[in-house]
Amino acid sequence: DSGVTQTPKHLITATGQRVTLRCSPRSGDLSVYWYQQSLDQGLQFLIHYYNGEERAKGNILERFSAQQFPDLHSELNLSSLELGDSALYFCASSTSWESGETQYFGPGTRLLVL
Amino acid sequence: GENVEQHPSTLSVQEGDSAVIKCTYSDSASNYFPWYKQELGKGPQLIIDIRSNVGEKKDQRIAVTLNKTAKHFSLHITETQPEDSAVYFCAAATNAGKSTFGDGTTLTVKP
Repeated sequence: DSGVTQTPKHLITATGQRVTLRCSPRSGDLSVYWYQQSLDQGLQFLIHYYNGEERAKGNILERFSAQQFPDLHSELNLSSLELGDSALYFCASSTSWESGETQYFGPGTRLLVL
Repeated sequence: GENVEQHPSTLSVQEGDSAVIKCTYSDSASNYFPWYKQELGKGPQLIIDIRSNVGEKKDQRIAVTLNKTAKHFSLHITETQPEDSAVYFCAAATNAGKSTFGDGTTLTVKP
């Protein structure tokens, strides 16, 4: 158990809908990262937040957004969902924002868009 | 942007043999290179990492080597065991906080 929690574990929804994925980092960690893992594209970095502020953006679509709240949990919002958004979504946390900090991954949320 | 290539995509070895997985990266600004193990139904777990000012690092049966000039790094697992069977990912990260992952290697260790 990494100490990172993600809810829900599974999510089934329809195209065009909007969903929110939630992540609670390890106690004391200030950084949260979001990743998408699909069969054809592997692990893709989406976005990184540190202590409530966006630090880096990866291949995140405009239909997707994220935020980190004062209690340090983070939410990833996916809107206007398409079939191709079906994937595993992981969040990870680390102590600080610096490169070289160990990232601890949560168990993931499996999203299926029908 | 950064591009990380990982080879091979699948690797099958006999228990007790060694396994080697190789990655190359493109961005010379990358300075941190972690390796993750992902078991079925779980999130990736860091198994070893190396920073750009180090050429080699070892932790029991696992070692990683880095050649900055050639922009490649490798994972070496010795005396493999069936529980080493999993998907392994390499990654390259910059100070900007971005990580780029390889496509993964499915390692199977046959008893």
